[in-house]
Amino acid sequence: QKEVEQDPGPLSVPEGAIVSLNCTYSNSAFQYFMWYRQYSRKGPELLMYTYSSGNKEDGRFTAQVDKSSKYISLFIRDSQPSDSATYLCAFSYTGGFKTIFGAGTRLFVKA
Amino acid sequence: EAGVTQFPSHSVIEKGQTVTLRCDPISGHDNLYWYRRVMGKEIKFLLHFVKESKQDESGMPNNRFLAERTGGTYSTLKVQPAELEDSGVYFCASSQGPSGGNTDTQYFGPGTRLTVL
Repeated sequence: QKEVEQDPGPLSVPEGAIVSLNCTYSNSAFQYFMWYRQYSRKGPELLMYTYSSGNKEDGRFTAQVDKSSKYISLFIRDSQPSDSATYLCAFSYTGGFKTIFGAGTRLFVKA
Repeated sequence: EAGVTQFPSHSVIEKGQTVTLRCDPISGHDNLYWYRRVMGKEIKFLLHFVKESKQDESGMPNNRFLAERTGGTYSTLKVQPAELEDSGVYFCASSQGPSGGNTDTQYFGPGTRLTVL
C-alpha cells in the first residue's frame, strides 16, 4: 500500500464551482498536513498548513483533516481560471524536515 | 526578494556522463533541501542541509549522487555517472531555520529538468 494516495485527475470544473481535492494516507505518524499548488514549469508553493484534525480556512480555501480516517481535503470556493494548477497534498512528521508528497491532482477551471 | 533559483533549467546528457545541478537558496535561509520527481511519480525527498552540514540524506538513491553546500550558501547536486532512471525534475527548496522543522515554510525553486539519453 502506498503511503499517500491522491487521484491524479485531471479534474475539470466551470468557473465559480466548488472544488474538492482529497488524499488518503496510511502512516499514522504524520502530524503535519499541507497542500501545495504547482503551476506548470514552476516549483510547488505552500497553500495551506494544518497540524490537527479539523478545518482551517484561508480566503477561498479550506483545508480539512480527519486523522481518524487518515483523510485530508482541500476545498476551493468560487473557483477561478487562475486556480488551474496541480494541487499536491503533503505530509511530515513531528520534528522532521522532509516532506512526503502525493502524486498531485491536475485541476482545470474553465472560464 | 529573490526566490530560490536553480541552474540549469534543462539538461540533456548521455548515459554515463556527469551532470552538476546548482541551487541558490533565498538569502539567509539556513535550510536547503533537494527533491526530485521522476516521470509519473511523486516528488521525493533526497536530502536536507542545515548550513553546510548534511542533516538527513536518507533519500539519496545511491552513491552516484553527491550533494555539497560549501560555506552554507549555494548547493550543488552531482550525478556521476548518470543513468537513464535519473531522468526527472530536480527541485531545490530552502527554509529560514534555524533548524527547519514542520512549521518552517519551504520555498521551492522552479526545478531542473534532467533528461538522460
